[in-house]
Amino acid sequence: KNEVEQSPQNLTAQEGEFITINCSYSVGISALHWLQQHPGGGIVSLFMLSSGKKKHGRLIATINIQEKHSSLHITASHPRDSAVYICAVPSGNTGKLIFGQGTTLQVKP
Amino acid sequence: DADVTQTPRNRITKTGKRIMLECSQTKGHDRMYWYRQDPGLGLRLIYYSFDVKDINKGEISDGYSVSRQAQAKFSLSLESAIPNQTALYFCATSDPSVPTGELFFGEGSRLTVL
Repeated sequence: KNEVEQSPQNLTAQEGEFITINCSYSVGISALHWLQQHPGGGIVSLFMLSSGKKKHGRLIATINIQEKHSSLHITASHPRDSAVYICAVPSGNTGKLIFGQGTTLQVKP
Repeated sequence: DADVTQTPRNRITKTGKRIMLECSQTKGHDRMYWYRQDPGLGLRLIYYSFDVKDINKGEISDGYSVSRQAQAKFSLSLESAIPNQTALYFCATSDPSVPTGELFFGEGSRLTVL
Protein backbone atom coordinates (compact mmCIF):
# COMPACT_ATOMS: atom_id res chain seq x y z
CA LYS A 1 0.00 0.00 0.00
CA ASN A 2 1.36 3.40 -0.94
CA GLU A 3 2.01 5.79 1.91
CA VAL A 4 0.17 8.53 0.01
CA GLU A 5 -3.00 7.66 -1.85
CA GLN A 6 -4.96 10.02 -4.05
CA SER A 7 -8.45 9.65 -5.39
CA PRO A 8 -9.75 9.71 -7.95
CA GLN A 9 -6.88 8.97 -10.33
CA ASN A 10 -8.75 10.56 -13.20
CA LEU A 11 -11.55 13.08 -13.15
CA THR A 12 -13.55 14.70 -15.93
CA ALA A 13 -15.82 17.60 -15.15
CA GLN A 14 -17.91 20.17 -16.95
CA GLU A 15 -16.96 23.81 -16.70
CA GLY A 16 -18.47 25.36 -13.61
CA GLU A 17 -18.62 22.19 -11.54
CA PHE A 18 -17.25 21.92 -8.00
CA ILE A 19 -14.30 19.56 -7.89
CA THR A 20 -12.87 17.60 -4.98
CA ILE A 21 -9.61 15.65 -5.00
CA ASN A 22 -8.69 13.58 -1.99
CA CYS A 23 -5.38 12.61 -0.45
CA SER A 24 -4.90 10.09 2.35
CA TYR A 25 -1.58 9.29 3.96
CA SER A 26 -0.36 6.73 6.45
CA VAL A 27 2.62 8.53 7.99
CA GLY A 28 2.64 11.16 10.69
CA ILE A 29 3.27 14.54 9.16
CA SER A 30 3.80 18.16 10.04
CA ALA A 31 2.52 19.55 6.75
CA LEU A 32 1.17 18.52 3.38
CA HIS A 33 1.78 19.96 -0.08
CA TRP A 34 -0.58 20.29 -3.01
CA LEU A 35 1.10 20.69 -6.39
CA GLN A 36 -0.22 21.36 -9.88
CA GLN A 37 1.32 20.17 -13.13
CA HIS A 38 -0.03 21.34 -16.48
CA PRO A 39 0.38 19.10 -19.54
CA GLY A 40 3.96 19.32 -20.74
CA GLY A 41 4.71 21.91 -18.12
CA GLY A 42 6.46 22.37 -14.89
CA ILE A 43 5.17 21.83 -11.38
CA VAL A 44 3.79 24.62 -9.26
CA SER A 45 3.28 24.54 -5.52
CA LEU A 46 -0.33 25.43 -4.72
CA PHE A 47 -0.50 25.01 -0.97
CA MET A 48 1.47 23.89 2.01
CA LEU A 49 -0.76 23.36 5.01
CA SER A 50 -0.44 21.84 8.43
CA SER A 51 -3.94 22.38 9.80
CA GLY A 52 -7.37 23.66 8.93
CA LYS A 53 -7.97 25.27 5.60
CA LYS A 54 -6.25 27.54 3.08
CA LYS A 55 -7.84 29.39 0.19
CA HIS A 56 -6.30 30.92 -2.91
CA GLY A 57 -8.72 32.20 -5.50
CA ARG A 58 -10.99 29.34 -6.51
CA LEU A 59 -8.80 26.75 -4.83
CA ILE A 60 -9.38 25.56 -1.28
CA ALA A 61 -7.28 23.02 0.56
CA THR A 62 -8.28 21.38 3.82
CA ILE A 63 -6.48 18.97 6.08
CA ASN A 64 -7.49 16.78 9.00
CA ILE A 65 -4.33 15.68 10.76
CA GLN A 66 -6.12 13.23 13.04
CA GLU A 67 -7.78 11.47 10.12
CA LYS A 68 -4.65 11.77 7.92
CA HIS A 69 -6.66 13.18 5.08
CA SER A 70 -6.57 16.26 2.91
CA SER A 71 -8.82 17.55 0.17
CA LEU A 72 -8.30 20.00 -2.64
CA HIS A 73 -11.43 21.73 -3.87
CA ILE A 74 -11.87 23.79 -7.01
CA THR A 75 -14.94 25.99 -7.19
CA ALA A 76 -16.44 27.09 -10.51
CA SER A 77 -14.00 24.92 -12.44
CA HIS A 78 -12.63 26.16 -15.74
CA PRO A 79 -10.86 24.39 -18.63
CA ARG A 80 -7.62 26.08 -17.61
CA ASP A 81 -7.79 24.08 -14.36
CA SER A 82 -7.11 20.95 -16.40
CA ALA A 83 -3.90 19.56 -14.98
CA VAL A 84 -2.45 16.86 -12.77
CA TYR A 85 -2.81 17.58 -9.07
CA ILE A 86 -0.33 15.95 -6.74
CA CYS A 87 -0.24 15.77 -2.98
CA ALA A 88 2.99 15.18 -1.11
CA VAL A 89 3.95 14.65 2.52
CA PRO A 90 7.34 14.80 4.24
CA SER A 91 9.23 11.63 5.03
CA GLY A 92 10.29 11.95 8.64
CA ASN A 93 12.52 14.94 9.36
CA THR A 94 14.73 14.55 6.31
CA GLY A 95 13.05 17.19 4.22
CA LYS A 96 12.29 14.56 1.58
CA LEU A 97 8.76 14.17 0.26
CA ILE A 98 6.55 11.21 -0.51
CA PHE A 99 4.35 11.93 -3.52
CA GLY A 100 0.94 10.64 -4.41
CA GLN A 101 0.38 9.26 -7.88
CA GLY A 102 -1.47 12.36 -8.97
CA THR A 103 -5.04 13.06 -10.08
CA THR A 104 -5.52 13.97 -13.72
CA LEU A 105 -8.30 16.51 -14.05
CA GLN A 106 -9.93 17.47 -17.31
CA VAL A 107 -12.48 20.26 -17.32
CA LYS A 108 -14.56 20.42 -20.47
CA PRO A 109 -16.10 23.66 -21.75
CA ASP B 1 13.58 35.08 -14.74
CA ALA B 2 12.36 31.77 -13.39
CA ASP B 3 13.13 30.92 -9.78
CA VAL B 4 14.49 27.52 -10.83
CA THR B 5 16.02 27.05 -14.27
CA GLN B 6 16.82 23.71 -15.84
CA THR B 7 18.92 23.08 -18.94
CA PRO B 8 18.49 21.50 -21.35
CA ARG B 9 14.70 21.36 -21.54
CA ASN B 10 14.79 18.52 -24.04
CA ARG B 11 17.57 16.12 -24.94
CA ILE B 12 17.74 13.06 -27.13
CA THR B 13 20.82 10.93 -26.74
CA LYS B 14 22.11 7.44 -27.40
CA THR B 15 22.80 4.57 -25.05
CA GLY B 16 26.20 4.88 -23.40
CA LYS B 17 26.53 8.63 -23.71
CA ARG B 18 27.27 10.85 -20.73
CA ILE B 19 24.59 13.42 -20.04
CA MET B 20 24.48 16.33 -17.64
CA LEU B 21 21.33 18.14 -16.59
CA GLU B 22 21.90 21.47 -14.94
CA CYS B 23 19.82 23.34 -12.42
CA SER B 24 20.22 26.82 -11.04
CA GLN B 25 18.03 28.70 -8.58
CA THR B 26 17.64 32.30 -7.54
CA LYS B 27 15.73 31.66 -4.30
CA GLY B 28 18.79 31.50 -2.10
CA HIS B 29 17.64 28.13 -0.76
CA ASP B 30 20.07 25.65 0.70
CA ARG B 31 17.96 22.60 -0.14
CA MET B 32 17.90 21.26 -3.68
CA TYR B 33 16.48 18.07 -5.13
CA TRP B 34 16.48 16.03 -8.33
CA TYR B 35 13.39 13.98 -9.18
CA ARG B 36 12.39 11.88 -12.12
CA GLN B 37 8.84 11.43 -13.27
CA ASP B 38 7.60 8.43 -15.19
CA PRO B 39 4.03 7.81 -16.34
CA GLY B 40 2.11 5.97 -13.64
CA LEU B 41 4.96 6.15 -11.14
CA GLY B 42 4.78 9.73 -9.97
CA LEU B 43 7.82 11.67 -8.79
CA ARG B 44 10.75 9.76 -7.38
CA LEU B 45 13.73 11.26 -5.60
CA ILE B 46 17.14 10.69 -7.18
CA TYR B 47 19.43 12.86 -5.03
CA TYR B 48 19.06 15.71 -2.61
CA SER B 49 21.39 18.26 -1.10
CA PHE B 50 20.85 20.32 2.04
CA ASP B 51 23.90 22.48 1.47
CA VAL B 52 27.02 22.55 -0.69
CA LYS B 53 28.79 19.95 1.43
CA ASP B 54 25.78 17.73 2.09
CA ILE B 55 24.65 15.41 -0.71
CA ASN B 56 22.44 12.39 -0.17
CA LYS B 57 21.10 9.56 -2.25
CA GLY B 58 17.40 9.30 -2.83
CA GLU B 59 15.35 6.22 -3.59
CA ILE B 60 16.62 5.70 -7.17
CA SER B 61 20.19 6.98 -7.26
CA ASP B 62 21.77 4.05 -9.14
CA GLY B 63 23.10 5.17 -12.51
CA TYR B 64 23.13 8.83 -11.50
CA SER B 65 25.56 11.21 -9.84
CA VAL B 66 25.27 14.82 -8.76
CA SER B 67 27.43 17.83 -8.12
CA ARG B 68 26.57 20.84 -5.97
CA GLN B 69 28.87 23.44 -7.46
CA ALA B 70 27.47 26.30 -5.43
CA GLN B 71 24.43 27.07 -3.32
CA ALA B 72 22.57 28.02 -6.48
CA LYS B 73 23.69 25.16 -8.75
CA PHE B 74 22.95 21.45 -8.61
CA SER B 75 23.77 19.22 -11.57
CA LEU B 76 22.63 15.70 -12.32
CA SER B 77 24.78 13.40 -14.45
CA LEU B 78 24.08 10.14 -16.17
CA GLU B 79 27.52 8.62 -16.66
CA SER B 80 26.38 6.08 -19.25
CA ALA B 81 22.79 6.64 -20.28
CA ILE B 82 20.47 3.69 -20.81
CA PRO B 83 16.98 3.61 -22.35
CA ASN B 84 15.16 3.09 -19.04
CA GLN B 85 16.49 6.46 -17.93
CA THR B 86 14.16 8.04 -20.46
CA ALA B 87 11.98 10.25 -18.28
CA LEU B 88 11.07 13.78 -17.29
CA TYR B 89 13.53 15.16 -14.75
CA PHE B 90 12.74 17.92 -12.29
CA CYS B 91 14.96 20.01 -10.10
CA ALA B 92 13.42 21.59 -7.01
CA THR B 93 14.40 23.80 -4.10
CA SER B 94 12.78 24.37 -0.73
CA ASP B 95 12.86 26.95 1.97
CA PRO B 96 15.12 25.75 4.78
CA SER B 97 13.49 27.93 7.42
CA VAL B 98 10.86 25.23 7.99
CA PRO B 99 11.39 21.48 7.54
CA THR B 100 8.77 21.23 4.84
CA GLY B 101 8.73 24.68 3.36
CA GLU B 102 7.22 25.65 0.05
CA LEU B 103 8.70 23.91 -2.96
CA PHE B 104 9.88 25.54 -6.16
CA PHE B 105 10.27 23.36 -9.23
CA GLY B 106 12.03 23.88 -12.51
CA GLU B 107 10.21 23.44 -15.80
CA GLY B 108 11.58 19.95 -16.26
CA SER B 109 14.10 18.35 -18.59
CA ARG B 110 12.76 15.71 -20.92
CA LEU B 111 15.42 13.11 -21.64
CA THR B 112 15.12 10.42 -24.28
CA VAL B 113 17.75 7.70 -24.45
CA LEU B 114 17.70 5.71 -27.67
